[in-house]
This record gives sequence, C-alpha cells and structure tokens, in this order.
Amino acid sequence: EVQLVESGGGLVQPGGSLRLSCAASGFTFSSYEMNWVRQAPGKGLEWVSYISSSGSTIYYADSVKGRFTISRDNAKNSLYLQMNSLRAEDTAVYYCARSMIDDYGDDCAFDIWGQGTMVTVSS
Amino acid sequence: QSALTQPASVSGSPGQSITISCTGTSSDVGGYNYVSWYQQHPGKAPKLMIYEVSNRPSGVSNRFSGSKSGNTASLTISGLQAEDEADYYCSSYTSSSTLWVFGGGTKLTVL
Repeated sequence: EVQLVESGGGLVQPGGSLRLSCAASGFTFSSYEMNWVRQAPGKGLEWVSYISSSGSTIYYADSVKGRFTISRDNAKNSLYLQMNSLRAEDTAVYYCARSMIDDYGDDCAFDIWGQGTMVTVSS
Repeated sequence: QSALTQPASVSGSPGQSITISCTGTSSDVGGYNYVSWYQQHPGKAPKLMIYEVSNRPSGVSNRFSGSKSGNTASLTISGLQAEDEADYYCSSYTSSSTLWVFGGGTKLTVL
C-alpha cells in the first residue's frame, strides 16, 4: 500500500524549532518529488515547500523562506521539514504530499497525502 | 487571502449537479493546464479528484469532472450523493515564486 506517515508535530513556543518527518512506503520514494502542505485550523490549504527526487532542487513559499528547510534521505525513504523561528501563524496541520508525474514527466498535482501532523506555536 | 478564488459554499440535493468555480489569473489557472481539485472530509487528508484540468485518477467516480475557460476552472459533480459532502479545493501551478497556489476552499452541502 502506498503510504505517507508524518510525525514530529507538537507544541512549541514562539521562536522555537521543530523537525517534522514523513516516512514513505509502498513506492519507489527516490523517484518522486515531494512537498509539504499546511492547513491552519479552520482554514484552507497552503503549499509550503518542494524538493526534487534527488534533493538538488528546492523551493519555498515566501511565508517560510529563510526559516524552514526541506530535506530528504532516499536511503531511509524519508522526507523532513526543519522549522526554525516559529511564529503563531505557523500553527497548522502539516501534510507531506507526493508530486504526481504526468506522461511528459512534469509535476502536475499532489496524488498521495499523509494523515498530517499538528504543529502548535504558542506560549 | 487565497491566491485562487472559490465560492465559500455551494449546496445541492441528492441526484442534482453542482459546479464549483476557481478563478485565478494568467499567471496560474489561465497560463497552465496544471489545475487540480481535492476533496477533504472533516479531520481527513485531502484526496486528489481531478488533475490537469479534467483528468480523473484511477478510482475516482466519473460523476466528477473538470474544465477550464480562460482564468477560471470548474469542478462539476453530477448525481450528488451524501458522501460528496466535503470541502473542495482547487490548486494550480503558478509562475510566481510560489510553485503552487490553492483556492480558499468550498464547502459542499448535500441537502
């Protein structure tokens, strides 16, 4: 079964740090680009970050640039998100999501999602 | 404020059809065919329903269909069923520094 399982969420004070993990199974992890998408309580979805299959290409949303770092370990079938200088507005459920590849080899959607991990930034 | 504009809510009776719109700009929806739609039930992860404007992933009912005209994409659900009641989000690739943008979401109520 194709599956993504996030972990590492929790309560952290403003200015603090947290590292999220996403364990992949059921597919060849090293062949797929991956993303983090978040959802604040009662709000919509927000794309956070992207990493290519090799890890050589990375993008961030402006709202997290300079504070968050995405990485992956293909040997461990794992995706990570290091979050520093956390703010109240970073409070959200964080999902890891696989990029869907179309017939031309382009990323076209997010086809597999994890169940999410909650991050709460509060004093 | 979300990058893509969706109606906050829509409703329909069982068996009817509804359409949810998703309006962007020429930098996202209008400029690329990488428009996708996601269904999210309360407390659950989003599920991909439509990709590349009008394609359905394997296993998604053919009651779900997508289209696009100019800067506006649409999701149509025909033969409404109770289990279709959920939040629906559109998404598009964008030429801005943000790779992907989402709509604010639309709550579908099946009356």
